[in-house]
Amino acid sequence: ETGVTQTPRHLVMGMTNKKSLKCEQHLGHNAMYWYKQSAKKPLELMFVYSLEERVENNSVPSRFSPECPNSSHLFLHLHTLQPEDSALYLCASSHPDGPNTEAFFGQGTRLTVV
Amino acid sequence: DAKTTQPNSMESNEEEPVHLPCNHSTISGTDYIHWYRQLPSQGPEYVIHGLTSNVNNRMASLAIAEDRKSSTLILHRATLRDAAVYYCILRDDQTGANNLFFGTGTRLTVIP
Repeated sequence: ETGVTQTPRHLVMGMTNKKSLKCEQHLGHNAMYWYKQSAKKPLELMFVYSLEERVENNSVPSRFSPECPNSSHLFLHLHTLQPEDSALYLCASSHPDGPNTEAFFGQGTRLTVV
Repeated sequence: DAKTTQPNSMESNEEEPVHLPCNHSTISGTDYIHWYRQLPSQGPEYVIHGLTSNVNNRMASLAIAEDRKSSTLILHRATLRDAAVYYCILRDDQTGANNLFFGTGTRLTVIP
């Protein structure tokens, strides 16, 4: 248990569906991250929020839409996804105050797009 | 973001020490060296980090070369639960929120 909780753990959705992934932490961190991990590929950083403001968007398609309503919660809204979007989606949190801190990851949501 | 180079895979016998190398020849003076590991079907887990001096914690030790262009993660007695992919990452204060960029890591297999 890392203190970062992701729900759901598994999700199967059709290409026309709309769904949301949720991430929650009560570690007092105010930087939160979404990563995508496809089979046999390194983790790809998708979005970064620092103090509830999006500070990075790594050329992610608009069918992925993040939301950070407060420093404890992070969402990833999904719509009209493609089968190649099937992957493990990981959330992480840390203090943004410097590189001398560690990040904590959730267990991930295993997404399958059919 | 500065890059790191790690072997794709390594093997170790159970209860033997393991030395996982990482090269980071383009490291800058403000980059911290972080290690994470990812067990099967789990998110990455923090292991250890350091800047210049060697570091020890309950999980592992980190040996940093004097010129900081390489480092070694040391697991003192490998167990089967240490089988994972180990990532060596440089974290700086130049990129927003001190982002962590992952490479391909080293897949450690522990042989009983």
